[in-house]
Amino acid sequence: KQEVTQIPAALSVPEGENLVLNCSFTDSAIYNLQWFRQDPGKGLTSLLLIQSSQREQTSGRLNASLDKSSGRSTLYIAASQPGDSATYLCAVSPFNTDKLIFGTGTRLQVFP
Amino acid sequence: SQTIHQWPATLVQPVGSPLSLECTVEGTSNPNLYWYRQAAGRGLQLLFYSVGIGQISSEVPQNLSASRPQDRQFILSSKKLLLSDSGFYLCAWSVGTGGFNEKLFFGSGTQLSVL
Repeated sequence: KQEVTQIPAALSVPEGENLVLNCSFTDSAIYNLQWFRQDPGKGLTSLLLIQSSQREQTSGRLNASLDKSSGRSTLYIAASQPGDSATYLCAVSPFNTDKLIFGTGTRLQVFP
Repeated sequence: SQTIHQWPATLVQPVGSPLSLECTVEGTSNPNLYWYRQAAGRGLQLLFYSVGIGQISSEVPQNLSASRPQDRQFILSSKKLLLSDSGFYLCAWSVGTGGFNEKLFFGSGTQLSVL
């Protein structure tokens, strides 16, 4: 059974810091991994999607890496800003199932 | 451009009352549609998904049901709500034959409180 874990559950950093959010999954048989952002009381916004054949994806100040063999992904946020404050979720798309398995998220607060 | 509309944003309902949440997608055809629930402190749980009109797959046994009367309309319903139905409900869509393997786009969610 695929399980997705995100560490830390919460993170508070000063503005300007570079930070790393971690996502681990127990079964490496996946099609892809996605990172989402969720603002309080809002829906999810897809940030990055990494196919299983890829190692990383970049969008602006965000960089997501995927190490399928070790079951890990990281989301790197450069030069964090207060507007980055949100909950970040990762999700994997496993083989042989139609489910997208989500982690419980990392709640990030960036203070000025 | 594609947009997804979900309403209402918040809903307070008594136990035993019916439920109807609606989700519509604009700017795309034949989307795959999904209903997720996010309970407090827990991850997102897939409730239903649909690859076409009238085609509904249920992931979790419960007192909820879903319908897709039109290509871009997805409805979540219940005849009698339970306390355990409280949560944040999210509609989502994707395109492509990959289904869950494609990028997901989410609506703004409905916060349901059953009292």
